[in-house]
Amino acid sequence: GAGVSQSPSNKVTEKGKDVELRCDPISGHTALYWYRQSLGQGLEFLIYFQGNSAPDKSGLPSDRFSAERTGGSVSTLTIQRTQQEDSAVYLCASSLSGTRNNEQFFGPGTRLTVL
Amino acid sequence: QKEVEQDPGPLSVPEGAIVSLNCTYSNSAFQYFMWYRQYSRKGPELLMYTYSSGNKEDGRFTAQVDKSSKYISLFIRDSQPSDSATYLCAMSESGGYQKVTFGTGTKLQVIP
Repeated sequence: GAGVSQSPSNKVTEKGKDVELRCDPISGHTALYWYRQSLGQGLEFLIYFQGNSAPDKSGLPSDRFSAERTGGSVSTLTIQRTQQEDSAVYLCASSLSGTRNNEQFFGPGTRLTVL
Repeated sequence: QKEVEQDPGPLSVPEGAIVSLNCTYSNSAFQYFMWYRQYSRKGPELLMYTYSSGNKEDGRFTAQVDKSSKYISLFIRDSQPSDSATYLCAMSESGGYQKVTFGTGTKLQVIP
């Protein structure tokens, strides 16, 4: 079956603009995660969804970052008033459930460049 | 100090060599240990998963966990050019929802 998909694959934007990144998880996966990957920084956890609710959003770096998930499926990560330090690859992952470390399946990521 | 430390490399080895990749960590509550492989411009994929201390073998890959030293390793035998990728260690605490903490990744190049 289809894996996790993300769109767009690349996004170039100007400082101060808002961007929306989309994630389509594997069908039937109730848990969804957003990560940010910067050069030399590894994967930085942003937010975790179980169904449509986000019990852990502790990794969101500022109030410019928000995310939602609808219908227990598609998720959108929104970055308002983008800054150059927001440039990174944003990865989405999904798993069958959020408990006991079910394997997380990652999408290919969205490469965001803020000029 | 980061919770998980991993040498970024790059590590360059000839085809057929044994590769050793390592991570150290500081959180003694970590119980689940994973290795992910990430090819260029792709998302990470789970390679090995172990619980608590001990060894786990899967084909050419062996994962070792030494909780007393807070040290984990991934060994790749008979390395192949197709093994060239970035390898990320990852770990999480026990019970309930698992937030996974990743290392920064080691870039491996296997030269034919």
